[in-house]
Amino acid sequence: EADIYQTPRYLVIGTGKKITLECSQTMGHDKMYWYQQDPGMELHLIHYSYGVNSTEKGDLSSESTVSRIRTEHFPLTLESARPSHTSQYLCASSGPIMGNTEAFFGQGTRLTVV
Amino acid sequence: QKEVEQNSGPLSVPEGAIASLNCTYSDRGSQSFFWYRQYSGKSPELIMSIYSNGDKEDGRFTAQLNKASQYVSLLIRDSQPSDSATYLCAVNKDSGGSNYKLTFGKGTLLTVNP
Repeated sequence: EADIYQTPRYLVIGTGKKITLECSQTMGHDKMYWYQQDPGMELHLIHYSYGVNSTEKGDLSSESTVSRIRTEHFPLTLESARPSHTSQYLCASSGPIMGNTEAFFGQGTRLTVV
Repeated sequence: QKEVEQNSGPLSVPEGAIASLNCTYSDRGSQSFFWYRQYSGKSPELIMSIYSNGDKEDGRFTAQLNKASQYVSLLIRDSQPSDSATYLCAVNKDSGGSNYKLTFGKGTLLTVNP
């Protein structure tokens, strides 16, 4: 069973506000990811981390930033939210543990910027 | 050429039939291959992983990998209406440190008709 948690599940916020989406995992995974997905559309990788203090931008340019100070925690921050940031944000993590590199997803945060 | 390609569908099969989902990938160094199921509005759920050439069976699901042809497939036997979802193919190349990428295809929408 995957133990990866995202909060909040739903967020409606005004334009210009700063927001942080939380993601935590208790599986000891070294790699963590943030994906952005609009309804009915494909997943887009926006950030990933392969360990503490190591982060990379993904394929889709994003105005968000991430940090990885602890293995289990990978928050995503938007300094000034805009309506174009309205989307679903999915966090995932993967091992390897025992040779497995399977990635597991959190339940997602659905962000609406008004 | 996209790194991971899938037919977007929709693929429609009658209940009880075999559904066949296909995926090709471009990077010959890819090492791990995954199939995820995603219901509308939900996060992706891992259903199969495969690491070596050949077939891997788990219940009604069979994953097939052919690295020479850069092809991975998923067969769903005795398809049920509850199998109706988008199926995502994911491919992983891990060369250590930052040279790591988990890449998803766009997904194939499967509809199983009662």
